[in-house]
Order: sequence, then C-alpha cells, then structure tokens
Amino acid sequence: DGGITQSPKYLFRKEGQNVTLSCEQNLNHDAMYWYRQDPGQGLRLIYYSQIVNDFQKGDIAEGYSVSREKKESFPLTVTSAQKNPTAFYLCASSTIYEQFFGPGTRLTVL
Amino acid sequence: GQQLNQSPQSMFIQEGEDVSMNCTSSSIFNTWLWYKQDPGEGPVLLIALYKAGELTSNGRLTAQFGITRKDSFLNISASIPSDVGIYFCAGPPNYGGSQGNLIFGKGTKLSVKP
Repeated sequence: DGGITQSPKYLFRKEGQNVTLSCEQNLNHDAMYWYRQDPGQGLRLIYYSQIVNDFQKGDIAEGYSVSREKKESFPLTVTSAQKNPTAFYLCASSTIYEQFFGPGTRLTVL
Repeated sequence: GQQLNQSPQSMFIQEGEDVSMNCTSSSIFNTWLWYKQDPGEGPVLLIALYKAGELTSNGRLTAQFGITRKDSFLNISASIPSDVGIYFCAGPPNYGGSQGNLIFGKGTKLSVKP
C-alpha cells in the first residue's frame, strides 16, 4: 500500500525539550512538506524539500528544523526555541500538482 | 501574494440537503484542488481540476473550474452525516514558486444541524 505515515499520532513533551516528528512516504515523490494546523485554522507551511539534501523555509520556519537525507523520509524537529509548539502537524508529499497528506501528529507541550 | 478565499467559512447541514461552497481569488489559477479533512486526520484529495470550465464528479461530489480561472465551486448532493469535516481548496501559485507547492484556502467547515 502506497502512502505517507507519520508517527506517533499523539506526542507529549515537557516545555524546553526538543522533539522530532517522523514522516515517511513510499510514493516515490521527490517533494515533501511540513505544515502546522492550529484549531480552527488553515494550513501553514513550515518547511519543504524538493529533492534529497535540500530544503527551504516556509512561512513559519522559526523554531523548527528539518533534514532530508533519504527520499522517503523528512523528519521535523520542534526545538525549544518554538514559542508555542502545541499544534497538529501534517506531512505531505507531492507529484507536480497534487499533494498527499499523512494522518498527522498532535503535539502537546506541557 | 496570491490568496484563496473560501465561502462560507462554516455551514450546517441536514441529512439529504445539497451543499455548495466556493473558492475565489483575485488572480488566475491553472489548477484547482479540493480536499476534505475529517477531525483529527490529514486532508484527503477529493477532486483535481486542470482546465477552465471543467466539471468533474466524484460520487456525490461535483467540482467546477471557473471559466475566468479565478474561482472554483464544490457541490455535495444529498448530504450524509459522514460529509461533516473541513473542505479546503488549493492551487499552485503562479508567481514561479517551487513545483508542487500549493496555496490553501482557510477552509469551509461542515457541521450537522443540531
């Protein structure tokens, strides 16, 4: 089954700790994305990567970091510098025109 | 930059009703995508439109690519309870952004009438 997996579904961390969210795809897509969604809000782009070993900042990159060492994987680290990290995080990959999303990870910082 | 405006922001449905929503922009889009997001899940692509005037159906869903290329419409016929969720429109920016990047509307939230 082709698709995008994100793990874990729910994540709890203490304030001040870095946390890494996993995103894996087996769709053979070159491009991958990370979005943040807050309650009642739309999707805001954090980072994206068009190709392995390259990535670009999106609209709200501050306090986040990414890596793209493999085509299939695009992990997102939420650092302690992110002032309000509690949110729903969505990973996506795309063809030329269409993005496909994973099931999301809900991060709660206590 | 380019923006997509969705209307209405929210609406209540009663089972069996037809539902209409739209997405507009002040600039031209060459592709329109419609997604649905169930609570606590990732958005799922419903319909993709690539040509002005195109009308495409997916079961009870019908979407149209506006002839001016500045709008798109999504209709749901004979709604059922599982239609509740948030519907997003999206399209690729035409200002030379990276391939695959999309601009998203803020969504139309469908809820069941109390």
